[in-house]
Amino acid sequence: GAGVSQTPSNKVTEKGKYVELRCDPISGHTALYWYRQSLGQGPEFLIYFQGTGAADDSGLPNDRFFAVRPEGSVSTLKIQRTERGDSAVYLCASSSSGTGIGTQYFGPGTRLLVL
Amino acid sequence: DQQVKQNSPSLSVQEGRISILNCDYTNSMFDYFLWYKKYPAEGPTFLISISSIKDKNEDGRFTVFLNKSAKHLSLHIVPSQPGDSAVYFCAASGLNSGNTPLVFGKGTRLSVIA
Repeated sequence: GAGVSQTPSNKVTEKGKYVELRCDPISGHTALYWYRQSLGQGPEFLIYFQGTGAADDSGLPNDRFFAVRPEGSVSTLKIQRTERGDSAVYLCASSSSGTGIGTQYFGPGTRLLVL
Repeated sequence: DQQVKQNSPSLSVQEGRISILNCDYTNSMFDYFLWYKKYPAEGPTFLISISSIKDKNEDGRFTVFLNKSAKHLSLHIVPSQPGDSAVYFCAASGLNSGNTPLVFGKGTRLSVIA
């Protein structure tokens, strides 16, 4: 079956611009996670949705970052007034269970470059 | 303050031999551990997991060992194959405490030489 998909695969933008990154989870998965991976690091947690609501947004670095999942399926990560330090690979993962044993399956990521 | 540590950035192994990748953690609330494999320009792919109620889990050529008292886990790949060459991430979460986001190590790059 289809895995997690993310669009765009690459995004180049200028400092100060607004960007949206989209994630399509595996069909039927109720839990959706956003992570960010910088060069030489492991993925770092940003925000987690259980259904339509953000269950944990403690990883968002500041108020320029926001994410939504209005219908409990597709999610959009929004970054306002982008900075060069936002350049990273943004990974989305989904899981069939938000609590208990639930393996997270990752998409290919969106590579964001802020010039 | 890294809660999950992979102290070896890289490892090189001969084809057919055993690869052992190590991971240490500091948070005693972690109770579920996973290994992911990552190829360039792809997302992490789930490999194997282990719950804290076990000390070993095996799946084909891959075995994960957990030593709770030492807060240490390891991934054994035997026999190693050239296609295993990738970056391996150790990840942990505290499922029983209701906190499911994964905490990752920095990864170990495995090179299997033919």
